[in-house]
This record gives sequence, structure tokens and C-alpha cells, in this order.
Amino acid sequence: EIVMTQSPATLSVSPGERATLSCRASQSVSSNLAWYQQKPGQAPRLLIYGASTRATGIPARFSGSGSGTEFTLTISSLQSEDFAVYYCQQYNNWPPRTFGQGTKVEIK
Amino acid sequence: QVQLQQWGAGLLKPSETLSLTCAVYGGSFSGYYWSWIRQPPGKGLEWIGEINHSGSTNYNPSLKSRVTISVDTSKNQFSLKLSSVTAADTAVYYCARGHLTNRYYYDSSGLHYYYYMDVWGKGTTVTVSS
Repeated sequence: EIVMTQSPATLSVSPGERATLSCRASQSVSSNLAWYQQKPGQAPRLLIYGASTRATGIPARFSGSGSGTEFTLTISSLQSEDFAVYYCQQYNNWPPRTFGQGTKVEIK
Repeated sequence: QVQLQQWGAGLLKPSETLSLTCAVYGGSFSGYYWSWIRQPPGKGLEWIGEINHSGSTNYNPSLKSRVTISVDTSKNQFSLKLSSVTAADTAVYYCARGHLTNRYYYDSSGLHYYYYMDVWGKGTTVTVSS
């Protein structure tokens, strides 16, 4: 099983600032990595797939990078609606398909 | 626009069987994989298993002995059954669509596509309590 580790667990950021979230895989997942955003009481929403491709309707302030075992999600200028929990998920080796434990982005 | 609508019993007693169904509206059923994912209160996401329109399944090894995912293509629905539930199975359960990429591989069990989950149901809260 591939273990996905996200850091930090909580990120405190002021609106308008940049947020950088990290995700590490226990072995290479190539570029088969997705990022999801989840707000309280809601289902996860796909942000990024293929490590760097934005999903339909996702603002350009969200960007993903990395391959192999190290990945980054960057939110260039945080808006109020971006405060949420973010999960990475690998789809290179399964079963099982695995998620990171999440990074909570909170208002500083 | 594709929507996933899910339903099922929300309160179970220990040892009972959890049963949830997810219906697909506004889009194709074939050509995708369909997954179940759960989220215990205050915790992260756990993938339970998947099925395609042909009925080919994969399960999380940690749950495999208790999970059955089935499909009814005539209704564009797929279902989850989880037997012998305990309090540890208390969670929000989500259904999701797996969007195939152009990458795949063959093995002894057939053709397997790489996919990401692009459409999610709203979730069903399931509580297991005596």
C-alpha cells in the first residue's frame, strides 16, 4: 500500500497570501496524483489531476506540481472561500487507492 | 451535468449490514469507474472499493472480507454492502465517479484504467450504535 503523507497538518495564512501544501508518497506514483478541496459538511471537490492539470472550473490561482514522490499544491493568493481542508490522492497503484491525511488551511 | 444521488439506512446496530445505493443522473454510466469512499467523524478519507459498468470490482484489502459492490446498469446505479458493522464503521459514505485517463495496463485479471475521482455524491451519514 502506498502511504501518502501531507504537511503541514494545519497552515495558517492571511487572505491574499500564498499557501504551499506538500504531499509525499511512500513510493513513486509518477504523475498519477489528484488534489481535492473539502469544506465543512461538503463532499470533496476535485481541484487538480495528473499532478498539475486543473479540473474544469478551478481558478488559476490553484496550481499543482511535482512527480514521483514529491508534490505541491500552491494557492497563489488565498481568497475567503479557499479556507478548507485539502487532500492529495494517488491513483498509480491500487488497491487500495490512498489519500493523504489532509492539510487544513485556516485564517491567520 | 452529471449528478450522483445516494441513499441508504443511516442508523445501524452492530453486526448488521450497511447498504447504500448511488444513482447517476445526467451522464453516461459506461466508460467510467464508480467508487465508494468513507470519512469517519473528524478524520480523513478512506477508499472502500470500485466497480465498472461491466461489474469488475476492486476492494480495499482492509475491508475486502466484508464489502460487496454491485451495479445495475438498467438503472444507472451502483450499490455498497458492508457486513458485520461495528462502531468503527461510523462515517460519512460518499460515492464518486472515476474519470478514466488514457493510461491503462493489463494483468491476469484484465484491463485496469488509471482514473481520478471527478464527481462526488453529497454523502450519507451512517452511524453504528447499539
